[in-house]
Amino acid sequence: NAGVTQTPKFQVLKTGQSMTLQCAQDMNHEYMSWYRQDPGMGLRLIHYSVGAGITDQGEVPNGYNVSRSTTEDFPLRLLSAAPSQTSVYFCASSSQNTQYFGPGTRLTVL
Amino acid sequence: KNQVEQSPQSLIILEGKNCTLQCNYTVSPFSNLRWYKQDTGRGPVSLTIMTFSENTKSNGRYTATLDADTKQSSLHITASQLSDSASYICVVSPSGTYKYIFGTGTRLKVLA
Repeated sequence: NAGVTQTPKFQVLKTGQSMTLQCAQDMNHEYMSWYRQDPGMGLRLIHYSVGAGITDQGEVPNGYNVSRSTTEDFPLRLLSAAPSQTSVYFCASSSQNTQYFGPGTRLTVL
Repeated sequence: KNQVEQSPQSLIILEGKNCTLQCNYTVSPFSNLRWYKQDTGRGPVSLTIMTFSENTKSNGRYTATLDADTKQSSLHITASQLSDSASYICVVSPSGTYKYIFGTGTRLKVLA
């Protein structure tokens, strides 16, 4: 099993550009989520999904969209990148007892 | 507001020594409390998970304790190794939700 995979590992965008962060899991988990991690702050939930076709907002959803067309994939879209979205983004997939994180995407918005 | 606070922010110890990290939370009611280890540049990895009715859980040299009355948890690391250098994050999940509330972590540095 590959677990949770994320691409790309690094990305630099200019203000106003859009992009999609990819996340995939091969553990057949229903629950998946996206977090951002900023210096001095705990991981903050952006969006989450409890199954294919079902998504909901987390703590900091503004500027981000998600979709869940399959159990395996949960992409995160930045509609119009802003410098405040410079962060490390983690995708996670959860069973009942354990949450598995991907390796992260380090995004810089200039 | 549901919060999770950790102390100390950072800690430096010598290899072979023990240490204890603290977590205070205001989340109530909660379904479980987790401790994660996050190496630099990597995603968090689960160390322990405890339900509100458990008061201790071990994973090798890592032992987590939970006092639901005082809303405190601790992570004790025994006989530290250089590879223990990482951030340790306390996470609480409110009951009835799919959400997790993360602390800001304790950054541990183990020196030879």
